[in-house]
Amino acid sequence: NAGVMQNPRHLVRRRGQEARLRCSPMKGHSHVYWYRQLPEEGLKFMVYLQKENIIDESGMPKERFSAEFPKEGPSILRIQQVVRGDSAAYFCASSPRRLAGGHTGELFFGEGSRLTVL
Amino acid sequence: DAKTTQPTSMDCAEGRAANLPCNHSTISGNEYVYWYRQIHSQGPQYIIHGLKNNETNEMASLIITEDRKSSTLILPHATLRDTAVYYCIVRLTIKAAGNKLTFGGGTRVLVKP
Repeated sequence: NAGVMQNPRHLVRRRGQEARLRCSPMKGHSHVYWYRQLPEEGLKFMVYLQKENIIDESGMPKERFSAEFPKEGPSILRIQQVVRGDSAAYFCASSPRRLAGGHTGELFFGEGSRLTVL
Repeated sequence: DAKTTQPTSMDCAEGRAANLPCNHSTISGNEYVYWYRQIHSQGPQYIIHGLKNNETNEMASLIITEDRKSSTLILPHATLRDTAVYYCIVRLTIKAAGNKLTFGGGTRVLVKP
């Protein structure tokens, strides 16, 4: 069973370009979470999605950032008009659908996509 | 979710047990304690979680005090590969929150030969 797959692993963009980061959750997982880690800082929650729905986007910057998790295909984190401050590692995690009366508790993380903005 | 307090850093000797403390004095009755770690440049890795009973798995043991205000993660025989940042996280299990985790600063553990 493959783990959470993120691509690209490394992405270089010039200021003003767009960055698209993709995340394929583990097989059978329908919940996806995106986190950002700035250099030498901790992990910050960005957004939580289920298939075709954004559940919690409380950590998303108000402008230039968007996320989707379509019915088919990977989840996409899109950053428009990138600036140098967007340079960071972006981690995706997935979890299975919650079972009635219980919880799984565990998030499975990918290896991250490292965005560098020149 | 309740706030947690962890030491910023600690060293431990290879082959010895590493005891990582965590304070969560404002924890409520339906909040679980989770531990994750992040080895340099990698994605965080789940270690263990518990509610009120002590827990053990192949990676570690989790000791939760009776009043649940603090816990200790024990790595029984630390190896150099255990060098990482260890995060103690307290989380509600309400359905609307999914499995969202809020990471703090963690403890930077350095295992020395």
